[in-house]
Amino acid sequence: DTGVSQNPRHKITKRGQNVTFRCDPISEHNRLYWYRQTLGQGPEFLTYFQNEAQLEKSRLLSDRFSAERPKGSFSTLEIQRTEQGDSAMYLCASSLAGTGVVGYTFGSGTRLTVV
Amino acid sequence: DAKTTQPNSMESNEEEPVHLPCNHSTISGTDYIHWYRQLPSQGPEYVIHGLTSNVNNRMASLAIAEDRKSSTLILHRATLRDAAVYYCILTGAGGTSYGKLTFGQGTILTVHP
Repeated sequence: DTGVSQNPRHKITKRGQNVTFRCDPISEHNRLYWYRQTLGQGPEFLTYFQNEAQLEKSRLLSDRFSAERPKGSFSTLEIQRTEQGDSAMYLCASSLAGTGVVGYTFGSGTRLTVV
Repeated sequence: DAKTTQPNSMESNEEEPVHLPCNHSTISGTDYIHWYRQLPSQGPEYVIHGLTSNVNNRMASLAIAEDRKSSTLILHRATLRDAAVYYCILTGAGGTSYGKLTFGQGTILTVHP
């Protein structure tokens, strides 16, 4: 297993367009998380899945954001009607239930630039 | 979540030890102390964690104060590849915890050749 994979690595989009990011977690991990990181700040929690169920969403996740994890495998994060304030690094992480945060593995992220 | 306080930045020379401090005066008895680091253009990676006793692994050592209100991440011999942002994070040990991490701004470590 090569770890958590995120695609694309970079995305430039015009304001108002929709974008979708994909995350492929470590295959045996049943928990998947999305974080957002802006320049100079630490990552901020967005949402979390256990298997296919989305169990928590941060207040940071406006109605324009939607995340899915069909069949409890890969996950997608979609942003509709992008705004310049959405420009950030979007990080995905996965872990195995019962290992707490020790088994938390992050991907390298997708950097979104909204122009 | 209990809050942590770290210096904004620290500098070190290559092959010298580095001591990265973290204050967490409001830590509860069941909070674990975790350290993650983030290399440039990468996602964070786990470094080490502990509860009460000092911990060692292949990457670093974690020294926890007796009152647990502070801790220190020790890199025994810094290399250029250790240049990163280091985050000190507290997590609860409750059985329902799903491992959500609350990051602060961390400490930017610069390593000079």
